[in-house]
Amino acid sequence: RKEVEQDPGPFNVPEGATVAFNCTYSNSASQSFFWYRQDCRKEPKLLMSVYSSGNEDGRFTAQLNRASQYISLLIRDSKLSDSATYLCVGAGTGGFKTIFGAGTRLFVKA
Amino acid sequence: EPEVTQTPSHQVTQMGQEVILRCVPISNHLYFYWYRQILGQKVEFLVSFYNNEISEKSEIFDDQFSVERPDGSNFTLKIRSTKLEDSAMYFCASSPSSYEQYFGPGTRLTVT
Repeated sequence: RKEVEQDPGPFNVPEGATVAFNCTYSNSASQSFFWYRQDCRKEPKLLMSVYSSGNEDGRFTAQLNRASQYISLLIRDSKLSDSATYLCVGAGTGGFKTIFGAGTRLFVKA
Repeated sequence: EPEVTQTPSHQVTQMGQEVILRCVPISNHLYFYWYRQILGQKVEFLVSFYNNEISEKSEIFDDQFSVERPDGSNFTLKIRSTKLEDSAMYFCASSPSSYEQYFGPGTRLTVT
């Protein structure tokens, strides 16, 4: 089993839609979790950390389910500018080793 | 807003040559990382660095790779004898706390 696994997509959604991504992880990347976004040929940019209690930042909501070993990201009211690859990231103890998922492509269309 | 910078943006080198990729992390950050991303593939962890020493490294980070923080601002990745398969985008990242990381724009390395 891959350490951090994501559905590659692509997800094609209209503007204004709600879209959800899931990510599963194995025990070796099981301490801290994050969502990053990556635009084509650019660096990953931190979107949000993921907490067990769930956290929300504007239109974005992240959840962590440790019992089932999955992380989710919900984007409400999608904008054209949300089109990107969303990377699920897990870090081991101390945060020194970070494992990236392969990413989920999102296309938001007018 | 402070940001991580990397130079050069693109490096072309011949197989067998040594390259040094340079990064200037955000000034008050204490944790530093190198990643690579082969075109069309996922971001791969290479190494983390804290308190002037390597904290963790991946299987990719073999003897041809080394990292250094030669002064208070730069963080470098050296590849001793480049191979064709080293062609990739190399990202540097820094973090104030070893968790949330901020990435530089990357150096595209092309080995011919």
